[in-house]
Amino acid sequence: GQQVQQSPTSLVLQEGENAELQCNFSTSLNSMQWFYQRPGGSLISVFYNPSGTKQSGRLTSTTVIKERRSSLHISSSQITDSGTYLCAMNYNQGKLIFGQGTKLSIKP
Amino acid sequence: NAGVIQTPRHKVTGKGQEATLWCEPISGHSAVFWYRQTIVQGLEFLTYFRNQAPIDDSGMPKERFSAQMPNQSHSTLKIQSTQPQDSAVYLCASSLADQAPLFGEGTRLSVL
Repeated sequence: GQQVQQSPTSLVLQEGENAELQCNFSTSLNSMQWFYQRPGGSLISVFYNPSGTKQSGRLTSTTVIKERRSSLHISSSQITDSGTYLCAMNYNQGKLIFGQGTKLSIKP
Repeated sequence: NAGVIQTPRHKVTGKGQEATLWCEPISGHSAVFWYRQTIVQGLEFLTYFRNQAPIDDSGMPKERFSAQMPNQSHSTLKIQSTQPQDSAVYLCASSLADQAPLFGEGTRLSVL
């Protein structure tokens, strides 16, 4: 079946360091999405269908559709960036297949 | 716009009882999705509706789980004879056609 692999599973950084999160897809990709989730919180869309490179503040997403991969770069990380980042592939008209997530912890 | 509204936020049931979870999608959104999140399995797709019609329920357990969308303003997920393994956060999302889905805060179901 369709699989979404995320790496690393967890990442601990000092405040100010950069974070690089990876997402790989087992099947051809129409579109994908990055989400952010705080513990016990809702899913917040970070990037939607980010083919190529897109930037939003300190976050940059780079997606290479033909290579079935996407990365999320967080520059100058802040404590408030801590949480879980999930990527998902859009499969069949809106149904999302999620990766297991990367738990990011930013230490002061 | 209040976003996707899910009620209740928390629900505790005894084993064997029925649980009904409610979702009010964003007004005007044509698609409504249900997902389940656990620590072990992560986020799993359950089912979705488009214009109130069931489109794909491939993620729904074959027994005890059912979902309805009787009108455009709400959807329900019903679990009969709840079991401890049903404990999870159940997330509802809605979207316009071909747009990013927006998620609700979820309902945390605890089956004792």
